[in-house]
Amino acid sequence: DAGVTQSPTHLIKTRGQQVTLRCSPKSGHDTVSWYQQALGQGPQFIFQYYEEEERQRGNFPDRFSGHQFPNYSSELNVNALLLGDSALYLCASSLARQGGNNEQFFGPGTRLTVL
Amino acid sequence: LAKTTQPISMDSYEGQEVNITCSHNNIATNDYITWYQQFPSQGPRFIIQGYKTKVTNEVASLFIPADRKSSTLSLPRVSLSDTAVYYCLVGLLSGGYNKLIFGAGTRLAVHP
Repeated sequence: DAGVTQSPTHLIKTRGQQVTLRCSPKSGHDTVSWYQQALGQGPQFIFQYYEEEERQRGNFPDRFSGHQFPNYSSELNVNALLLGDSALYLCASSLARQGGNNEQFFGPGTRLTVL
Repeated sequence: LAKTTQPISMDSYEGQEVNITCSHNNIATNDYITWYQQFPSQGPRFIIQGYKTKVTNEVASLFIPADRKSSTLSLPRVSLSDTAVYYCLVGLLSGGYNKLIFGAGTRLAVHP
């Protein structure tokens, strides 16, 4: 089991450009969440996808959008990049079910640098 | 989701037991307490989760008093490889609506 994988590992863009980040969840997981982690801070929730729909969203502008595919993989798109979008973008997968211990498994992240 | 407060940083030495306490005064009845560990340039990793009393696994113990307004992560006999950021999270984690709210975490430095 490869666990959660993300691509690319590093990315450099310039202001105003658009970027797409990709995530493959852990085998058997059906829910994908995306987080943004600025340097020295904890991860901040962007949104969550389940059954190909955005189920929850954090306090991020519409420039951040996503998609989930039938195979549960997901993409994060960011338009009109700003310098402040430079961060580590983390994908986490989990299994939607009732009860506690819905452990989220995180990928290694994509380091985005906006110049 | 309940707000959590934990120390910004802690220092320890190899072989010592480390206890990191987290305050969560407005924890709700259905909230669980979860701890994650994060190494530099890696995603967070689940350590342990509990609801009340004590939970123990192969890497840590979690102590939760009866009022559940705080919790303590205990790492026995730490090694240099335990140097990381530790996050305490509180929230309802059932039904798949498991949005995780991270604070700034506690930076643990283990010295030789």
